[in-house]
Parts: sequence; structure tokens; C-alpha cells
Amino acid sequence: QQQVKQSPQSLIVQKGGIPIINCAYENTAFDYFPWYQQFPGKGPALLIAIRPDVSEKKEGRFTISFNKSAKQFSLHIMDSQPGDSATYFCAAASKVNNKLIFGAGTRLAVHP
Amino acid sequence: EAGVTQSPTHLIKTRVQQATLRCSPISGHTSVYWYQQALGLGLQFLLWYDEGEERNRGNFPPRFSGRQFPNYSSELNVNALELEDSALYLCASSPVLAYGYTFGSGTRLTVV
Repeated sequence: QQQVKQSPQSLIVQKGGIPIINCAYENTAFDYFPWYQQFPGKGPALLIAIRPDVSEKKEGRFTISFNKSAKQFSLHIMDSQPGDSATYFCAAASKVNNKLIFGAGTRLAVHP
Repeated sequence: EAGVTQSPTHLIKTRVQQATLRCSPISGHTSVYWYQQALGLGLQFLLWYDEGEERNRGNFPPRFSGRQFPNYSSELNVNALELEDSALYLCASSPVLAYGYTFGSGTRLTVV
């Protein structure tokens, strides 16, 4: 019940495309859903986060869509660029234990 | 504002030895979290420290331990090293009971 399932494992898109990464969870106590971006040799960096009382949040070219009833959330990257090539992790947390549970990650490659 | 700093960047140890990894959180952050990221895998929660106390522990054996100092910096100790302990160890900090993790760049531990 503590798991966060992420798909796909890897994704290849052309420059300008809109990659979509999906995550699902079971624990209804989760109340914070961030996305992290990680480049090789670096730690993950927070991209964008959403709370379950909001269905969509946009920050620049990054959008989170949240479906509370389906217990799913997704990341869309608009007008993707080669510099967006990285591994993306979704995560979830609750007040109960205040730790982030991460999905397995999606390796994104944006080709020029 | 200085970010989360981890040292050393790389560490090579032999089996059975002990490794000590260090983390300095962002100024004002009192919570420190440790994660293990094995090659090509996701982030596995190890330990959470807050106000000098261990608050939560992941599914790791007791030879993984740590502590938090009065200045909120933290150490992760791994005793009796095994080959499968080879991984990137990430430290994150956040304000008390908040979800805004900021990660350091990690320590790459290699056990030979």
C-alpha cells in the first residue's frame, strides 16, 4: 500500500513532443505528490508538486494532472527539448510518516 | 543560499569495512533524510532524523545506522559492507514536518 507505481520505464520523443509519465498509488493518506528530475551524477531536483485538492498545476512547460478518484497523477512536458533528457521520478508523502515514497523512475530521451 | 552538501563525493571500500557518509542540510532545515539509489534503480528510503532523533527507518538491516548532530548535520554509517551496498547515497533536508525535500548530489559508494 506504500508503493507508487510509475510508467513507462523509458520514453523517447522528438523535440517539441509532449512526453507523458504516469503514476498510481494506493494509500489514500498520501497528500503531497511531487515530481523530481535527475541528471546523471546529480541528486534529484524538485520540479513541481501538487496537493490532492487540485486537479491540475502548471509551472512553465511542466504540468501535473491529478485524478483523486482514480488515485493517479501524471506529468506532461510541453514543447520538450533535448535538455529535458533526464530521469523523472514521481513521489508521494503523507503526514503520518513524513517521508517521500518514490516511483521507479522514467528515463526520458528527447531527440533533436 | 547554500544547498545540501554531502561528502565525500566518491568512496571506495572493501567488503567488511565500514563507511561513513556526511551530510550538511540547508540552513534552517532541521530534518535530514537518507536514501539509497542502486544503479538504474529508484530511491529507497533509509532513515529520517529530526531534532537529533531517528524518526523513521526504512527496510534496511541494522548495519545501516546514523545520527544527527546538534547543528542538524548528519552521518550515515554502513558497517560490515557487502558488495550490494554499492550505490549512490542521497541526503535530503526539509523544514520540520514539511514535504519540500532538497537533495544533495550524493556520495557514490563502491564496495569491492
